[in-house]
Amino acid sequence: DVKVTQSSRYLVKRTGEKVFLECVQDMDHENMFWYRQDPGLGLRLIYFSYDVKMKEKGDIPEGYSVSREKKERFSLILESASTNQTSMYLCASSLAPIEKLFFGSGTQLSVL
Amino acid sequence: RKEVEQDPGPFNVPEGATVAFNCTYSNSASQSFFWYRQDCRKEPKLLMSVYSSGNEDGRFTAQLNRASQYISLLIRDSKLSDSATYLCVVNVNTGGFKTIFGAGTRLFVKA
Repeated sequence: DVKVTQSSRYLVKRTGEKVFLECVQDMDHENMFWYRQDPGLGLRLIYFSYDVKMKEKGDIPEGYSVSREKKERFSLILESASTNQTSMYLCASSLAPIEKLFFGSGTQLSVL
Repeated sequence: RKEVEQDPGPFNVPEGATVAFNCTYSNSASQSFFWYRQDCRKEPKLLMSVYSSGNEDGRFTAQLNRASQYISLLIRDSKLSDSATYLCVVNVNTGGFKTIFGAGTRLFVKA
């Protein structure tokens, strides 16, 4: 069965901290995505990657960076966490850009 | 105007009822369509893809109307376990592909 694993379910960080969110998929998918989800706003794309070492900005990349050193792993980095980055972060992968997405269980990040 | 719009609800229906959700999209270059289900504090999971000819999966029926640019989801014989948020998802060909999520429609099924 398909699996996308996010390293933490809940995370509490302080303003200014560097935060790493890890995501691993076991499906050999080329495409991986990071979204954030906020009430009333739906899912918004932060960054995505179509291949190892490749990254593309999504709709809201400011304040974030990503790393894809291996095909199965896609990391989201908050260089200096701020309170407006408190959100649910969802990692996803897909076989092809037009195909369905498989999501990880999400990380609820609180920045205090 | 949002690229993908859904009525946020909530829809409150009794068990056994039939309920329908619509979703409109603005970009005529939209190429693939999905309904996802999301339970409270959980990740979205694919409910069904939506095909041009319409498709059915048990109690769920999805329809696509390209001329009017909307998709629909019909749930028959609602169960308590159908209570969730239903997300409309559209893939748009913008040179590359872009996946756009609706904000979701909340459904509560009551005993």
